[in-house]
Amino acid sequence: AQSVTQLGSHVSVSEGALVLLRCNYSSSVPPYLFWYVQYPNQGLQLLLKYTSAATLVKGINGFEAEFKKSETSFHLTKPSAHMSDAAEYFCAVSGGSQGNLIFGKGTKLSVKP
Amino acid sequence: DAGITQSPRHKVTETGTPVTLRCHQTENHRYMYWYRQDPGHGLRLIHYSYGVKDTDKGEVSDGYSVSRSKTEDFLLTLESATSSQTSVYFCAIGQPQETQYFGPGTRLLVL
Repeated sequence: AQSVTQLGSHVSVSEGALVLLRCNYSSSVPPYLFWYVQYPNQGLQLLLKYTSAATLVKGINGFEAEFKKSETSFHLTKPSAHMSDAAEYFCAVSGGSQGNLIFGKGTKLSVKP
Repeated sequence: DAGITQSPRHKVTETGTPVTLRCHQTENHRYMYWYRQDPGHGLRLIHYSYGVKDTDKGEVSDGYSVSRSKTEDFLLTLESATSSQTSVYFCAIGQPQETQYFGPGTRLLVL
């Protein structure tokens, strides 16, 4: 069965610093991979999606993620954090038995001034 | 943004009472999903629908039922609410294994 592991339930960075949120998946076949962002009291919004067209995927708000098959990883990065990036981030993978996505437990990103 | 609304947005209820949450979409999408979100668990699938009157169970379906009498509406019912069902409930639409688009969520508190 598919699973997703997000390392670190909370990550804190200073404004302007690099953001790195880690995600590892379990599968021998590269699935579709997603990053979603959830701002307080809102639903989930798609940040980016990997579909095997390119290993480096660019998303909205300056985020990008790199798919590394050998490491079964799909880490999310942003070169310079902004206060508005404070949110919870979820990594997800396709492969649920009911066609659903399988989500990691989420990482809360805090950005310090 | 995908046209997905959920109602109510917030609800407080008492243990043992029935509760129905509504998801409404304007995208004419065939597939709809109900997830619950709990701290430390991410999102977990409760039920899903693959067409009018076609529904099936997800990972955490005990204590929940669903109905879909129209393409645009997917209802989630807690037959007899328990405190363990206090959660945030999200509806989503999307092709299986593809991008899913989420509604704004319903916060449910069962006292």
